[in-house]
Amino acid sequence: DTGVSQDPRHKITKRGQNVTFRCDPISEHNRLYWYRQTLGQGPEFLTYFQNEAQLEKSRLLSDRFSAERPKGSFSTLEIQRTEQGDSAMYLCASSLEYEGQPQHFGDGTRLSIL
Amino acid sequence: AQTVTQSQPEMSVQEAETVTLSCTYDTSESDYYLFWYKQPPSRQMILVIRQEAYKQQNATENRFSVNFQKAAKSFSLKISDSQLGDAAMYFCAYRGGIGTASKLTFGTGTRLQVTL
Repeated sequence: DTGVSQDPRHKITKRGQNVTFRCDPISEHNRLYWYRQTLGQGPEFLTYFQNEAQLEKSRLLSDRFSAERPKGSFSTLEIQRTEQGDSAMYLCASSLEYEGQPQHFGDGTRLSIL
Repeated sequence: AQTVTQSQPEMSVQEAETVTLSCTYDTSESDYYLFWYKQPPSRQMILVIRQEAYKQQNATENRFSVNFQKAAKSFSLKISDSQLGDAAMYFCAYRGGIGTASKLTFGTGTRLQVTL
């Protein structure tokens, strides 16, 4: 039983560049979530999918952020024209559809903006 | 909007002793779920324990137990017989019930140190 997988683990880029992260959820999980975690804080919700449908987006998800889950399996999170404030750990989680089911997290992608 | 507050930025416990981490939350919902997650340094977040608000009985998982006080909106985590491997950030998290948002709302975390 493989867990949630995220790629890459670390990403360093210059301000203004575009970056894309990938998340592979646990295979039988149809819900997939993205969170952002800055140093010393708890994760903050960005968006979530049920199968391929994006059901909720946080106001934190500005126009520069876009997430997809085209076939209801893996998901990508893209940040366009990165800014210093985008530096954070981006966490992916997945869960079963049933209410109250716990979310299982990946190792995260740490983004550093130079 | 729901909020989760962890008022202890850091806690320390000696190996084999017991420690309690505090969490309070604010919600107008009657049906919800509460979680404690553990995040070791540079490692992934792991579920420690889960509590359904409609259950009066406190959840227990081996050395981990909770004290859930619904009226007081309090959800503390007790770690018994602390081990070196328990050292980590601990996050309290809230999730609404059926028909509400599926996202987790986290507190700011408590860093637990375990000393010999």
